[in-house]
Amino acid sequence: AQKITQTQPGMFVQEKEAVTLDCTYDTSDPSYGLFWYKQPSSGEMIFLIYQGSYDQQNATEGRYSLNFQKARKSANLVISASQLGDSAMYFCAMREGVRTSYGKLTFGQGTILTVHP
Amino acid sequence: GAVVSQHPSRVICKSGTSVKIECRSLDFQATTMFWYRQFPKQSLMLMATSNEGSKATYEQGVEKDKFLINHASLTLSTLTVTSAHPEDSSFYICSAGTGGAYGYTFGSGTRLTVV
Repeated sequence: AQKITQTQPGMFVQEKEAVTLDCTYDTSDPSYGLFWYKQPSSGEMIFLIYQGSYDQQNATEGRYSLNFQKARKSANLVISASQLGDSAMYFCAMREGVRTSYGKLTFGQGTILTVHP
Repeated sequence: GAVVSQHPSRVICKSGTSVKIECRSLDFQATTMFWYRQFPKQSLMLMATSNEGSKATYEQGVEKDKFLINHASLTLSTLTVTSAHPEDSSFYICSAGTGGAYGYTFGSGTRLTVV
């Protein structure tokens, strides 16, 4: 069985600073995909970044980067130069199997990020 | 890009009535649709996975007779909450697999309030 854990219920960061949101996972499948989503108060799910288990390099997408440490089974999200609009709930998610989006996602508990001016 | 239109966005219904939530894929064929439920400030919990033309696969603990899922076409999947009760009040959101390693498209969600 797969499991995703986010241990930070809430995080605060000053505008323009960087913040790291933690995520650890557990799976016995050697093939898996890791995702980060942003959920504003409106409820929509916004895809941020993806890391496949066989990817050699850490994924980056603009101000978002994923610190993938396979041996530690962690996939932390780093947001650089935080903006007020980054305030939202953030979810880490995992899918077993790397190559298809037809597998189900399992979500972590979420972290509420608040960016202060 | 791929878009999933989910309706209604908000619904209030009386206890004992049924509510139908629709998710339509607008510019692609949604072979697989996932239905999630989310309580305030909590995680998304997968309720069921539906594949076009076949019965949905429900997660453990989800009452299939209460949460009816129909995926009769490649562009439409529906979730019907039957005989709704206040404890069914929640945020329901669908997600379609669009192919590729990370191709999931989410609907905008439905806030259900049962009074």
